[in-house]
Amino acid sequence: GESVGLHLPTLSVQEGDNSIINCAYSNSASDYFIWYKQESGKGPQFIIDIRSNMDKRQGQRVTVLLNKTVKHLSLQIAATQPGDSAVYFCAEYTGFQKLVFGTGTRLLVSP
Amino acid sequence: EAQVTQNPRYLITVTGKKLTVTCSQNMNHEYMSWYRQDPGLGLRQIYYSMNVEVTDKGDVPEGYKVSRKEKRNFPLILESPSPNQTSLYFCASSPRLAGGLNEQFFGPGTRLTVL
Repeated sequence: GESVGLHLPTLSVQEGDNSIINCAYSNSASDYFIWYKQESGKGPQFIIDIRSNMDKRQGQRVTVLLNKTVKHLSLQIAATQPGDSAVYFCAEYTGFQKLVFGTGTRLLVSP
Repeated sequence: EAQVTQNPRYLITVTGKKLTVTCSQNMNHEYMSWYRQDPGLGLRQIYYSMNVEVTDKGDVPEGYKVSRKEKRNFPLILESPSPNQTSLYFCASSPRLAGGLNEQFFGPGTRLTVL
């Protein structure tokens, strides 16, 4: 999962497996959360979002789960593919268009 | 194509030499923001702008300036760069929707090295 520190957490999976990337957020008043994917040499790219009045939201091959009790967010990627290899960031919206980003998790998918 | 563009993409400069990184978006977005990305620290907001002529400090504004004279452009200015400003910089924009909650679109990044 994500954590503040100098080392980027890494999740290694086999192609076809399901991946789960975790994120702990800090502000209990945050009411909107986003997952971003950042490929090498590129800017972050929106994957999926969820509002605090929801527990779960599904997209294409991705699901985000929100547990407000323990301030925890997770991103599930089904049938992970080599193209999913990237760094994944969660971000929480703390108001006034201000997004606070986690430090990221590197996902490595091996064939 | 809807996009956020940044220039230059790569820049190596020396301490104290003023520089500007440009950012432009063609989506008519009201909100724009600058972030820096450093290993292990994620993205940290430098400055943001809610609209033309409206700018505000983010989490790490020291050593930076911005301006928002036009809706599409949001340049980042380093008046006297220092080596601790060596980083990867991203510009982002988003529309201002009712409720104020929406995704941000990021540019491709500018890698700056200050010697």
